[in-house]
Amino acid sequence: AQTVTQSQPEMSVQEAETVTLSCTYDTSESDYYLFWYKQPPSRQMILVIRQEAYKQQNATENRFSVNFQKAAKSFSLKISDSQLGDAAMYFCACDPNFGNEKLTFGTGTRLTIIP
Amino acid sequence: DTAVSQTPKYLVTQMGNDKSIKCEQNLGHDTMYWYKQDSKKFLKIMFSYNNKELIINETVPNRFSPKSPDKAHLNLHINSLELGDSAVYFCASNRDGNYGYTFGSGTRLTVV
Repeated sequence: AQTVTQSQPEMSVQEAETVTLSCTYDTSESDYYLFWYKQPPSRQMILVIRQEAYKQQNATENRFSVNFQKAAKSFSLKISDSQLGDAAMYFCACDPNFGNEKLTFGTGTRLTIIP
Repeated sequence: DTAVSQTPKYLVTQMGNDKSIKCEQNLGHDTMYWYKQDSKKFLKIMFSYNNKELIINETVPNRFSPKSPDKAHLNLHINSLELGDSAVYFCASNRDGNYGYTFGSGTRLTVV
């Protein structure tokens, strides 16, 4: 079983600045995947970035990058050069690699972009 | 072409009614899921199917019954709807290798 904790219910950032969203997780699995999903007001769930736990290198996707600290079970998301379109709920999620795969989500962080 | 499509997008119904939500994916993925997002935006898995076989059945009232006629379709039927069933229901699919789940656009169910 896994649990995912997002301790920041809301965050705000000035347009063009950088913001970091926090996530910690707990899992008994030795191999797993971590994800960040974005949910804008349209309610569509959009995959932002994916990290394989056995890879030490932090994943990056354009302006989005993660700081993956496996020993600390921490998986934060950094958004650089924030844009108005980044305003959304952001969900951290964990999925074991083997067996009954299922995403376990955190409670989400609402990100507001200040023009 | 929509990768994971759900119908309907909105559903308003009275307590006690029976309703269905349909989901289809054209990605060729083997595994499909139903997730429920409550009023506080919390997402929780309900069911998963792999190639038409039920894999995960979380603690969900037996009024909820998933059906997978083939690996591209996963429907959700809900009997005797209750006020507490009001939520957004998401269908999702995933392929082997876990490259990231693809979600449908969700069905907002409102029970009055």
